[in-house]
Amino acid sequence: QKEVEQDPGPLSVPEGAIVSLNCTYSNSAFQYFMWYRQYSRKGPELLMYTYSSGNKEDGRFTAQVDKSSKYISLFIRDSQPSDSATYLCAMRSSYKLIFGSGTRLLVRP
Amino acid sequence: ETGVTQSPTHLIKTRGQQVTLRCSSQSGHNTVSWYQQALGQGPQFIFQYYREEENGRGNFPPRFSGLQFPNYSSELNVNALELDDSALYLCASSTTWTGGRSGNTIYFGEGSWLTVV
Repeated sequence: QKEVEQDPGPLSVPEGAIVSLNCTYSNSAFQYFMWYRQYSRKGPELLMYTYSSGNKEDGRFTAQVDKSSKYISLFIRDSQPSDSATYLCAMRSSYKLIFGSGTRLLVRP
Repeated sequence: ETGVTQSPTHLIKTRGQQVTLRCSSQSGHNTVSWYQQALGQGPQFIFQYYREEENGRGNFPPRFSGLQFPNYSSELNVNALELDDSALYLCASSTTWTGGRSGNTIYFGEGSWLTVV
């Protein structure tokens, strides 16, 4: 079993839809949770950074962490075609990040 | 723009050859990590450098090695290239990890695409 599980998709939604992306993890010691966005053939771009449980909002993006269920989510409101990318969840384990395999999102105009 | 720059952006090597990839970290960042991202996968941690010394390593063989220089820039060297080494190699920079609620953030460069034929 991988430490971080993420549905690879692809997830296809119409423009304006609310998107929900999710990851599960196995190590209850994880405290730091991140979401990165990666466009094709580019490096990952940090979107959201959350410590411990709870919600964090930034513009159209909301990150949610439920440590009791070992489950994290990223919600995108009013999705745009420019949001089409691969979304990677990551957890900090001391000096390194442990990534999910990424979910590919396609927002149709 | 993260301020992390990598070179070269693309390269093709033959199996058995050696390759050196370079990274300049973001200003003020003294810690550099390298990750390997195979097609369709998430990045995998290779190692981290702090104060010119390796202070953490993932599950990669010794033919993957690195350096960090006094200006915090870094190199990743891979010897005896294998076909499975074909991947996107990502450099990430950050400040020193101190834990705590604020933690620190890690910024990635655009990567170097390595193809081994």
